[in-house]
Amino acid sequence: DVKVTQSSRYLVKRTGEKVFLECVQDMDHENMFWYRQDPGLGLRLIYFSYDVKMKEKGDIPEGYSVSREKKERFSLILESASTNQTSMYLCASSSPLAGTGGKQFFGPGTRLTVL
Amino acid sequence: DQQVKQNSPSLSVQEGRISILNCDYTNSMFDYFLWYKKYPAEGPTFLISISSIKDKNEDGRFTVFLNKSAKHLSLHIVPSQPGDSAVYFCAASDGSNYQLIWGAGTKLIIKP
Repeated sequence: DVKVTQSSRYLVKRTGEKVFLECVQDMDHENMFWYRQDPGLGLRLIYFSYDVKMKEKGDIPEGYSVSREKKERFSLILESASTNQTSMYLCASSSPLAGTGGKQFFGPGTRLTVL
Repeated sequence: DQQVKQNSPSLSVQEGRISILNCDYTNSMFDYFLWYKKYPAEGPTFLISISSIKDKNEDGRFTVFLNKSAKHLSLHIVPSQPGDSAVYFCAASDGSNYQLIWGAGTKLIIKP
């Protein structure tokens, strides 16, 4: 059974703290994504990576950075957490092979609260 | 500029009846369309997809219809069950296979 795992389901941090969210996939996928989901706003892409050490900005990269040192692992970093980064964070992976339609597999999400 | 739109934030349907969720898009280069289902505090799960060369795809209780001339797709759930209560996201792929373009989601509530 394919799997995407995220390091925490729930996280509470203080304003100004550095926050690390980790994501691991076991499907040997090249592509990995970080989204945040807020009510009424759907899924907004923060960053994605299509290869080890490669990263591309998504729609809302401000205040975030990412790291992909190994194919299976994609980390999201909040350099200095702020209250407006309180959200559900979702990691996903996909294969770039033709015919997959870009289908993405998601982790369970991390509910981050910044106080 | 929203390329994928789900204009109904929520939809309420009686158990056993048909649920129809709608999605409109603007980019004629999209080649795949996908539907995902999301329960609270969980990640989205893939439900069904359709290639742009087809106009219908069926999987059990779920059928997706694609009308390319209208740039519109819909997801039909028949019969609707209580476990179908969730947020449904429509997404589109432009063939790059890197990104999906997402709609804002429709919350489906199945009433007993």
